[in-house]
Amino acid sequence: QVQLVESGGGLVKPGGSLRLSCAASGFTFSNYYMTWIRQAPGKGLEWISYISGTTGYTVYADSVKGRFTISRDNANNSLYLQMNSLRAEDTAVYYCARRYGGTHLDVWGQGTTVTVSS
Amino acid sequence: SYVLTQPPSVSVAPGKTATITCGGNNVGRKSVHWYQQKPGQAPLVVIYYKSDRPSGFPERFSGSNSGNTAALTISRVEAGDEADYYCQVWDSSSDRPVFGGGTKLIVL
Repeated sequence: QVQLVESGGGLVKPGGSLRLSCAASGFTFSNYYMTWIRQAPGKGLEWISYISGTTGYTVYADSVKGRFTISRDNANNSLYLQMNSLRAEDTAVYYCARRYGGTHLDVWGQGTTVTVSS
Repeated sequence: SYVLTQPPSVSVAPGKTATITCGGNNVGRKSVHWYQQKPGQAPLVVIYYKSDRPSGFPERFSGSNSGNTAALTISRVEAGDEADYYCQVWDSSSDRPVFGGGTKLIVL
């Protein structure tokens, strides 16, 4: 079945780095734009980045631009988020999601938790 | 940037109808999608392209969109519908998705 599984979350000190991964299965990964969305504790959903299927086109939210890098490996059906210069306000559950039809997110992973604290 | 406004909470008795609104400038011209998120779970799309439902999802859930307000309507509300609901559109001017702040549906 169609599935996304995130990994790589954890506890990191302010200023540190972390790399999240999202393993996709059950669909032709390269056919879809993929996105990262996060949710701070007790807060709403915040979109942070997306990447096109094959051209490498990327877009970032202002809150992470210049610090986070989204990438993908279509041969291995994997999506990544490299997070540098982490701040306390980056503490959140990070979800990867598949973008369908150009506008909505039809498949979500279960999320991975990132905690930025000294 | 485009902004979507939702009420923080909506309360409804079991068996009644709940309406969750999502306000935005000329949102009626956009495709509005709705997500349900239960505690400890990932969001799940419940309505897309204003009124389509994923296969197998209850017909009790419906969407509408006109003018400056979109709405998610849940008929014959059940205890299991208690969750946070988020609306979302694609902002073509910035080429990015925009989420509303979310509404907590409380089943009395």
